[in-house]
Amino acid sequence: ETGVTQTPRHLVMGMTNKKSLKCEQHLGHNAMYWYKQSAKKPLELMFVYSLEERVENNSVPSRFSPECPNSSHLFLHLHTLQPEDSALYLCASSQGGQGAPVEQYFGPGTRLTVT
Amino acid sequence: GQNIDQPTEMTATEGAIVQINCTYQTSGFNGLFWYQQHAGEAPTFLSYNVLDGLEEKGRFSSFLSRSKGYSYLLLKELQMKDSASYLCAAFTGGGNKLTFGTGTQLKVEL
Repeated sequence: ETGVTQTPRHLVMGMTNKKSLKCEQHLGHNAMYWYKQSAKKPLELMFVYSLEERVENNSVPSRFSPECPNSSHLFLHLHTLQPEDSALYLCASSQGGQGAPVEQYFGPGTRLTVT
Repeated sequence: GQNIDQPTEMTATEGAIVQINCTYQTSGFNGLFWYQQHAGEAPTFLSYNVLDGLEEKGRFSSFLSRSKGYSYLLLKELQMKDSASYLCAAFTGGGNKLTFGTGTQLKVEL
């Protein structure tokens, strides 16, 4: 595997279900991100982890819970979601120190549908 | 707050040149990135500018004016495969944060 991988690629879940999205980066990066992409809206940054510590939480509802067990893996745990949470969830990673512009590499995303 | 503006859609002809503009108003600005995203795929990095001026990478060039809060992406010798969404994103330091625009959907026609 190369780059950034995400599983599953597609997920349909009911509002009472609990599921998790998985992201893995094979690039040796030290920062990982979760984004939400909805139709006609900009990519929205949800969470940032740097060196496995959460450094950004953009007022995301608590029904989304991130986990970063090591620098290569990132999870997004989902529970009691709402239909408006249906979107493409993208994971990204990057390498670099704080403040310096660095390219982020994106995974293919998980297309989530909440019924 | 952070605000990124770019046109929603553009159409251009194969072989032509197209310029996609982006204006931004952000605090802590530290650079401007351009990404390409084909439908159903991950965004892929095209270029970035930190200093004012033009950066050229093959058929793609990007320009930045920090004083005007303005950038553009220039695509030359357009090909059908260039039909995609082009995302402008402002980098703000202290947290590796990228703030994205809604993207410009470019359609390349024969």
